[in-house]
Amino acid sequence: GQQLNQSPQSMFIQEGEDVSMNCTSSSIFNTWLWYKQDPGEGPVLLIALYKAGELTSNGRLTAQFGITRKDSFLNISASIPSDVGIYFCAGPETGTYKYIFGTGTRLKVLA
Amino acid sequence: NAGVTQTPKFQVLKTGQSMTLQCAQDMNHNSMYWYRQDPGMGLRLIYYSASEGTTDKGEVPNGYNVSRLNKREFSLRLESAAPSQTSVYFCASRGGQLNTEAFFGQGTRLTVV
Repeated sequence: GQQLNQSPQSMFIQEGEDVSMNCTSSSIFNTWLWYKQDPGEGPVLLIALYKAGELTSNGRLTAQFGITRKDSFLNISASIPSDVGIYFCAGPETGTYKYIFGTGTRLKVLA
Repeated sequence: NAGVTQTPKFQVLKTGQSMTLQCAQDMNHNSMYWYRQDPGMGLRLIYYSASEGTTDKGEVPNGYNVSRLNKREFSLRLESAAPSQTSVYFCASRGGQLNTEAFFGQGTRLTVV
């Protein structure tokens, strides 16, 4: 079945630095979703991508839908302490109502 | 906007007790989902409902039942709780542009002792 591989698994960064994480798959996705989950909370949708090559921003966050439709990346610019959390990618599984989720990137920001 | 609302937020059960987790969405979405999230395991699908009147098993349905009460509400029932069901449970609904976005509730943290 479809799988999403996300990297890195975790990262420590200094406040103010830019962050980049990505998701790859061996199969095509028609939509890429990026979520953030804070401790003890539900995942919150950050950015949704619908077309190959699409680049979309949401404040300091920018995400791109890869040309091959098999990958996506998320960038966070000028990180701040509240960016701490787990970021994961997701996509609707082709031909079903289910979702495939990435394994997540745990972000820790050093002030 | 309330979005997806889950109740309760926390619950402790004794082994063998039953309970129902409630979920409601106010976005007029057709599809709804129940997931469990365990440390290091990510989100695992328990049951989903593609539309009102239908429910289907996900990856880990054993020990659970669901009811799609109406378009808004999708409940998850544990008939006889077991310690292995200690987890955080998330409800989600599907909508947004192209009906491909998942929206999650705040979660229910369940402990079975």
